[in-house]
Amino acid sequence: NAGVTQTPKFQVLKTGQSMTLQCAQDMNHNSMYWYRQDPGMGLRLIYYSASEGTTDKGEVPNGYNVSRLNKREFSLRLESAAPSQTSVYFCASTAELMNTEAFFGQGTRLTVV
Amino acid sequence: QQQVKQSPQSLIVQKGGIPIINCAYENTAFDYFPWYQQFPGKGPALLIAIRPDVSEKKEGRFTISFNKSAKQFSLHIMDSQPGDSATYFCAAGGVDGGGKLIFGQGTELSVKP
Repeated sequence: NAGVTQTPKFQVLKTGQSMTLQCAQDMNHNSMYWYRQDPGMGLRLIYYSASEGTTDKGEVPNGYNVSRLNKREFSLRLESAAPSQTSVYFCASTAELMNTEAFFGQGTRLTVV
Repeated sequence: QQQVKQSPQSLIVQKGGIPIINCAYENTAFDYFPWYQQFPGKGPALLIAIRPDVSEKKEGRFTISFNKSAKQFSLHIMDSQPGDSATYFCAAGGVDGGGKLIFGQGTELSVKP
């Protein structure tokens, strides 16, 4: 079982470039999430999708967009990358909207120069 | 208020010691309090979770103590081992917050042989 798979694992962008982080889960989970992790800040929710066809903003949505492509896949797009978006990004999924075990991917380390 | 405050930021103990990590929350609507463990280069993984109807939960060497009136909860690791060296995150969630999890800032634990 792969669980939650994120691609790419590492990425370096120049300021102003765009990119899409991909996430897929094979556990038939309804809900999916994107977090960013910064030193001393814990994990902060960027966007989430309670179910296929819905997306909502989290704590820090500015500068990001998301797409719930189908039940398995949830992508995060940076339209114009900024140095402040240098972070480690984690995708997670749960069987339903939280209050149950969240399964995390391995993370994407993004550096914006 | 949606914040979860976690302390200490880092902790060093000797093998066999009992590290204690503390978290405090403000939103009384929270009803789910998980702890996640993260090893370097990996995504967080659920360690243990508690709901406010009990004051303590044990799973193996890991214990959560919960004080509803003080709005605090803590993680105790009995007979700590070098393999427990990791970053630990507390979190809180509840229906009032749309079921989303709010994470603490993280504690980097090092267990010395």
